[in-house]
Amino acid sequence: SQKIEQNSEALNIQEGKTATLTCNYTNYSPAYLQWYRQDPGRGPVFLLLIRENEKEKRKERLKVTFDTTLKQSLFHITASQPADSATYLCALASRAGKLIFGQGTTLQVKP
Amino acid sequence: DTAVSQTPKYLVTQMGNDKSIKCEQNLGHDTMYWYKQDSKKFLKIMFSYNNKELIINETVPNRFSPKSPDKAHLNLHINSLELGDSAVYFCASSQESIQRLKTQYFGPGTRLLVL
Repeated sequence: SQKIEQNSEALNIQEGKTATLTCNYTNYSPAYLQWYRQDPGRGPVFLLLIRENEKEKRKERLKVTFDTTLKQSLFHITASQPADSATYLCALASRAGKLIFGQGTTLQVKP
Repeated sequence: DTAVSQTPKYLVTQMGNDKSIKCEQNLGHDTMYWYKQDSKKFLKIMFSYNNKELIINETVPNRFSPKSPDKAHLNLHINSLELGDSAVYFCASSQESIQRLKTQYFGPGTRLLVL
């Protein structure tokens, strides 16, 4: 069956460092992959999308890579700030547009 | 201005009751969704409507019935509530595009607690 795995343990880093979050998947060939941010008590907010034929996407301090051979996406936040503390969800999308979400990784950036 | 809104924000009810959650989007999108997020934070799709037509219907008990009176609204009615229905329910919307790149916009969630 289709499976998406994100690090269930919280990631704690120091302010100014680069945070790297991992999303692995099996038994799936997504058309594209999305990353969302979710703050406590709120709905997820879209951050970035990367297509199956793209290797890397950037937006300000965010960078996403997508390796369809390894079946893995990495999400990087450079020069991290305490305001970046949140849960980050990866979501795989079929060509029909149906999204399957991972369980998310909680990032804590300490000042 | 709220893009995707849900009511109520909190819902506490007894087992066996029937309840409804309402969702409205003012983004002009043509597709709306209901998701359930359980205590382990997994976000799972339940239903999806495109132009008021049901297009995704996951393995959800028949007690859950979505209704879309128009493109801007998607309501969720739950009959005979059970303890296991306790979760956060999110509504979302997106705009179908030629490339089917569906960025989804989520509502604030409805926290349902069944006692």
